[in-house]
Amino acid sequence: QQQVKQSPQSLIVQKGGISIINCAYENTAFDYFPWYQQFPGKGPALLIAIRPDVSEKKEGRFTISFNKSAKQFSLHIMDSQPGDSATYFCAASEWGAQKLVFGQGTRLTINP
Amino acid sequence: GAVVSQHPSWVICKSGTSVKIECRSLDFQATTMFWYRQFPKQSLMLMATSNEGSKATYEQGVEKDKFLINHASLTLSTLTVTSAHPEDSSFYICSVVDFYEQYFGPGTRLTVT
Repeated sequence: QQQVKQSPQSLIVQKGGISIINCAYENTAFDYFPWYQQFPGKGPALLIAIRPDVSEKKEGRFTISFNKSAKQFSLHIMDSQPGDSATYFCAASEWGAQKLVFGQGTRLTINP
Repeated sequence: GAVVSQHPSWVICKSGTSVKIECRSLDFQATTMFWYRQFPKQSLMLMATSNEGSKATYEQGVEKDKFLINHASLTLSTLTVTSAHPEDSSFYICSVVDFYEQYFGPGTRLTVT
């Protein structure tokens, strides 16, 4: 019940395209859903986060869509660029931003 | 967001020795810090919650006697891997919560030979 399932494991998108990564959860007590970007050998960097009182949040080219009834949330990267090539992790927590449970990660490659 | 540093960024130690990793919150006082472990090409797993002035709380399956955590000040938490073995080789990352968001440090790569 503590798991967060992320898909796909890997994704290849052409430059300028839309990258979409999905996550699903079971624990209805989760109340914080962040997305992180990680480059090789670096710590994860917070991209964007959402709480269940809204269905969508947009920051620049990054958008989170949240479906509370389906217990799913997704990251959309618009106008994907080669510099976006990285591993992306979704996460969730039932104590605000404390004690995150991470998805398995998605390795995103943007082809120039 | 919060700025977190870790030292060292990379350490190699021999099997059976101990190694200490520092995590510093550079721009605010953190009463709570978190320690995660990440094996190659895998996700992050929470190891423990570090609480300033009190004992750390460990996640199920994490050996508290092997991974000693000390949070002696509001800006510094340390993780000591005692009697390290090759299976402890991993990427260790700390984090802090600032304004209801969690921010991570750059990580420390530990290699045990």
